[in-house]
Amino acid sequence: DIQMTQSPSSLSASVGDRVTITCRASQSIGTYLHWYQQKPGKAPKLLIYGASSLHSGVPSRFSGSGSGTDFTLTISSLQAEDFATYYCQQSYSTPSYTFGQGTKLEI
Amino acid sequence: QVQLVQSGVEVKKPGASVKVSCKASGYTFSKYDIIWVRQAPGQGLEWMGWISADNDNTRYLQKFQGRVTLTTDTSTTTAFMELRSLKSDDTAVYYCARSRLFDSSGPQFAFDIWGHGTMVTVSS
Repeated sequence: DIQMTQSPSSLSASVGDRVTITCRASQSIGTYLHWYQQKPGKAPKLLIYGASSLHSGVPSRFSGSGSGTDFTLTISSLQAEDFATYYCQQSYSTPSYTFGQGTKLEI
Repeated sequence: QVQLVQSGVEVKKPGASVKVSCKASGYTFSKYDIIWVRQAPGQGLEWMGWISADNDNTRYLQKFQGRVTLTTDTSTTTAFMELRSLKSDDTAVYYCARSRLFDSSGPQFAFDIWGHGTMVTVSS
C-alpha cells in the first residue's frame, strides 16, 4: 500500500504569510497527487489536482508542485479564510486511494 | 446544481449495522464513480472504498473487507454504504464523494463533489 506522509502536522502562521505544506509518498506516484482543504464541520474541498492544476474556482494564491515522491502545497499570501486543515491524496493506485494525515493551519 | 445529499444522523448499538445513502443529482450518475471516506472525531480522512456507478465493481480498504458493502441504485441515482458489526471506534462522519477523471492519460482521479457527511455514533 502507498503511504502518504504530510509535514508538518500543524503550523502556526499569520495573515499575509507565505506557507508551504509538504506531502511525501512511500513510492513514486508520478503527478497523481491532489490537495484538499477542510474546515471544521464541513466536507473537504478539492483545491489542486494532478499535483499542480488549480481546480475551478480556487484562488490563485494556492499552488502545487512536485512529482515522484515529494510534493508541496503553497499559499502565497494567507487570508483569514485559509485557516483550515489540508490533506493530500494519491490516485496512482486507483481504485484504491490514500490520504495524508492532514496539516492543520492555525493562526 | 451538481450535488450529493446524504442521509441523516444514525445512532447504533455495538454489533448492529448501518446503511448510509448518498443521492446524486445534477449530473449523469453512471459516468462517475463514487468513493466513501470516514473521519473519526478529531482525526483525519480515511478512504474506505470505491464503487463504479457504471458496472458496480467495488474495491475496499483491507481493514473493512467483509464488513462493508457498497452498492448503487441507478434508478434513483443513489449510492449506499453498509457497515456491519459496528464497534465504538466506527463512530465517525461518513462522506460520499464523486470521483472525477481530470486527465485521461493516467489515473488522475480526484474527488470534486462531496456529500455533507453523515454522523454515525456507535454506543451502548
